[in-house]
Amino acid sequence: KAGVTQTPRYLIKTRGQQVTLSCSPISGHRSVSWYQQTPGQGLQFLFEYFSETQRNKGNFPGRFSGRQFSNSRSEMNVSTLELGDSALYLCASSLVREGVYEQYFGPGTRLTVT
Amino acid sequence: AQTVTQSQPEMSVQEAETVTLSCTYDTSESDYYLFWYKQPPSRQMILVIRQEAYKQQNATENRFSVNFQKAAKSFSLKISDSQLGDAAMYFCAYRSAPSGANSKLTFGKGITLSVRP
Repeated sequence: KAGVTQTPRYLIKTRGQQVTLSCSPISGHRSVSWYQQTPGQGLQFLFEYFSETQRNKGNFPGRFSGRQFSNSRSEMNVSTLELGDSALYLCASSLVREGVYEQYFGPGTRLTVT
Repeated sequence: AQTVTQSQPEMSVQEAETVTLSCTYDTSESDYYLFWYKQPPSRQMILVIRQEAYKQQNATENRFSVNFQKAAKSFSLKISDSQLGDAAMYFCAYRSAPSGANSKLTFGKGITLSVRP
């Protein structure tokens, strides 16, 4: 079974631009979560989507948004990029199977804002 | 809100020896999941082990085992027979239950484990 895939793997953008990151979950997983990882703040939850609806949201400004499609693929958008948005963005897909919770991460997208 | 604390930023272990990584958490919930994730230099987060709070038995996965102390809100990871490939950053994480609710994980700051040959 294929794992969580994220595209692109690396991205360099300029301040003020916007960016869209993509995540394809494991087949059958309907929940997709996004996290931002930086050396200073560690891993921080951005938001979660389940069946095309945002189910939970972290404490990030409105410049960070996302959506989920009917095939469970998810996109994350960051508008008006700031230097502080440079980070590794991780996507995770999850499923509850026979009472056991499973969550798996993708390889991440490394975003550099210059 | 839940918090996860990993107070040791770095640890080192000799190959083939045993090492224990500490984690404490704070929650008012009675039902939850706890996880240890490994993040090697490749940056891919890998699930190491999972513990359901309602289970009294400590989880074990091959060389990895946990010491789950619910009353003390402690969740440590023991790595036996350490291997060079175990060198990575390890994150302790918390998730509320029951299932059907959100899937948000709350992470600790992580601990960097180095393995000496």
